[in-house]
Amino acid sequence: GQNIDQPTEMTATEGAIVQINCTYQTSGFNGLFWYQQHAGEAPTFLSYNVLDGLEEKGRFSSFLSRSKGYSYLLLKELQMKDSASYLCAVRHNTDKLIFGTGTRLQVFP
Amino acid sequence: DAGVIQSPRHEVTEMGQEVTLRCKPISGHDYLFWYRQTMMRGLELLIYFNNNVPIDDSGMPEDRFSAKMPNASFSTLKIQPSEPRDSAVYFCASSSPTGPHYEQYFGPGTRLTVT
Repeated sequence: GQNIDQPTEMTATEGAIVQINCTYQTSGFNGLFWYQQHAGEAPTFLSYNVLDGLEEKGRFSSFLSRSKGYSYLLLKELQMKDSASYLCAVRHNTDKLIFGTGTRLQVFP
Repeated sequence: DAGVIQSPRHEVTEMGQEVTLRCKPISGHDYLFWYRQTMMRGLELLIYFNNNVPIDDSGMPEDRFSAKMPNASFSTLKIQPSEPRDSAVYFCASSSPTGPHYEQYFGPGTRLTVT
């Protein structure tokens, strides 16, 4: 079966660093995605990991450990506009994505 | 590029009525996905197509739901008859093997309310 777990909600302060964790159990792993979704909008692609290690893209970084079934999204220098839901998704060999229920992040001034 | 286009953006209908949601994928993308999003269940994959052919419809809730992709630039998701529990946001997404990560691009969604 497939199972993806991430915290439901997190809060942080503007300018701080926050780490959103994602653990997964799945067969046929073919990459892990992070998407950002602002309230009332569509998910947008943030990052992709298929090999172990850290991928950095500006203020956002994503890490993957396949042996542990674990990923995290790291957001640095938080801004108010980073308040959104962050969705972890695992891709199977069959090309479909299985999404976690998302982590709602609130950034306070 | 205009991105993935969905219509209508909002739909309010009464229980028992037929509902048709429409999607135009990004030109050149050969995969098309239909998702449903609710607060309780998150983002769920309903069905996906590759080159207009349905590949996996295991997420379609029941026979009341059907999806078609008559050509590379158009897909529909139909619910007949609709029920209040179908109320959700329905997203269409497309992807291409030429993309660096084969990531999916989502349309703006259709917010469906069944009363």
